Amino acid sequence: AQSVSQHNHHVILSEAASLELGCNYSYGGTVNLFWYVQYPGQHLQLLLKYFSGDPLVKGIKGFEAEFIKSKFSFNLRKPSVQWSDTAEYFCAVKAYGSSNTGKLIFGQGTTLQVKP
Amino acid sequence: DVKVTQSSRYLVKRTGEKVFLECVQDMDHENMFWYRQDPGLGLRLIYFSYDVKMKEKGDIPEGYSVSREKKERFSLILESASTNQTSMYLCASSINYGAGFGEQYFGPGTRLTVT
Repeated sequence: AQSVSQHNHHVILSEAASLELGCNYSYGGTVNLFWYVQYPGQHLQLLLKYFSGDPLVKGIKGFEAEFIKSKFSFNLRKPSVQWSDTAEYFCAVKAYGSSNTGKLIFGQGTTLQVKP
Repeated sequence: DVKVTQSSRYLVKRTGEKVFLECVQDMDHENMFWYRQDPGLGLRLIYFSYDVKMKEKGDIPEGYSVSREKKERFSLILESASTNQTSMYLCASSINYGAGFGEQYFGPGTRLTVT
């Protein structure tokens, strides 16, 4: 069965530090990849997505992610975090071929706490 | 903008009660989903629907049922609420084809407490 693994469950950073959150998935076929963010008290919203083309994708609020097919990875990065980036981050994968539905497989989530 | 709304933000029910959680989307999406979100467990899919009156079980369907009589509305039913169903419930919708396939839009969630 396909799975998505986020290696860091809880990350604490100081403002201006660089961020990288890991995401690996287990599926050898074509995928669409997503990062969602949930700010405290708010609903899940899309941060960025990869469907095809340039494997380096840019999202909102200065976030970017790189799809490395050979490593089955889609890590999220930001060069300099702000206190307002404190949130929970979810990686998700749509695996083509295993199912024609719109089901996504979500990782367990990473809680990011940014200290001012 | 896509809008997914859920009937309640907070709900408190007693053990054994029948509970209805409602979700409505306004973008004519074919797919609708119900998840529960628990700390350390991420999002777990309960049920999803890819068309009116069509449904499929997700990863944790036990103790839940769903209803989709209209395209825009997807209901989650807890037949007999139990304390281990205390959780945050998220509804989502998505299209079933084309360039945006897979991208899901989420509602604000319903925090259900079963006492």
